[in-house]
Amino acid sequence: ETGVTQTPRHLVMGMTNKKSLKCEQHLGHNAMYWYKQSAKKPLELMFVYNFKEQTENNSVPSRFSPECPNSSHLFLHLHTLQPEDSALYLCASSQGSGRIDEQFFGPGTRLTVL
Amino acid sequence: AQSVSQHNHHVILSEAASLELGCNYSYGGTVNLFWYVQYPGQHLQLLLKYFSGDPLVKGIKGFEAEFIKSKFSFNLRKPSVQWSDTAEYFCAVNDGQGGKLIFGQGTELSVKP
Repeated sequence: ETGVTQTPRHLVMGMTNKKSLKCEQHLGHNAMYWYKQSAKKPLELMFVYNFKEQTENNSVPSRFSPECPNSSHLFLHLHTLQPEDSALYLCASSQGSGRIDEQFFGPGTRLTVL
Repeated sequence: AQSVSQHNHHVILSEAASLELGCNYSYGGTVNLFWYVQYPGQHLQLLLKYFSGDPLVKGIKGFEAEFIKSKFSFNLRKPSVQWSDTAEYFCAVNDGQGGKLIFGQGTELSVKP
């Protein structure tokens, strides 16, 4: 596999469920990002990890919990979500968030909260 | 706070027409500018970027963009669009101090064959 992969590609969950989104990058990058893409709205940066350390939390509700066990993997743990959390969740990576670099995006996970 | 504004939400063109998509940003300091494209069902991918130097930047697939600092603009252009250019286009700005990108809301381009 090359680039940035995300699983699952689609997820439907109830408001009381707990689920996790997974992102893996095969580019040797040191920074990883979670974005939320809602219809007709700009991409919203959620979290930034640089060398496994969280360097940005963009006022994201605590029902979203990120985890970065190593520079290649990023998770987003979801619990007690709301219907308005339904969106496309994108993962991206770059060489390092302290540098000005192109970000490479995964295909996204389409999340529907019922 | 920084912001990015894309003036057109949906643009419809016929093949061979010329394209210009507007992008304005609010940050007054050093910026790095990007255009990303998302083809139907595909990943966001980089179209072109500006970091410094020649303000006219050429990207993939015949696209170019011009950075006009005095107008805080980075408009995307293509002289002759093709049906395969149908996609959503996103302008993004980085403040030059790290990896955080601020995106515009996107412009959907539909090219009629």
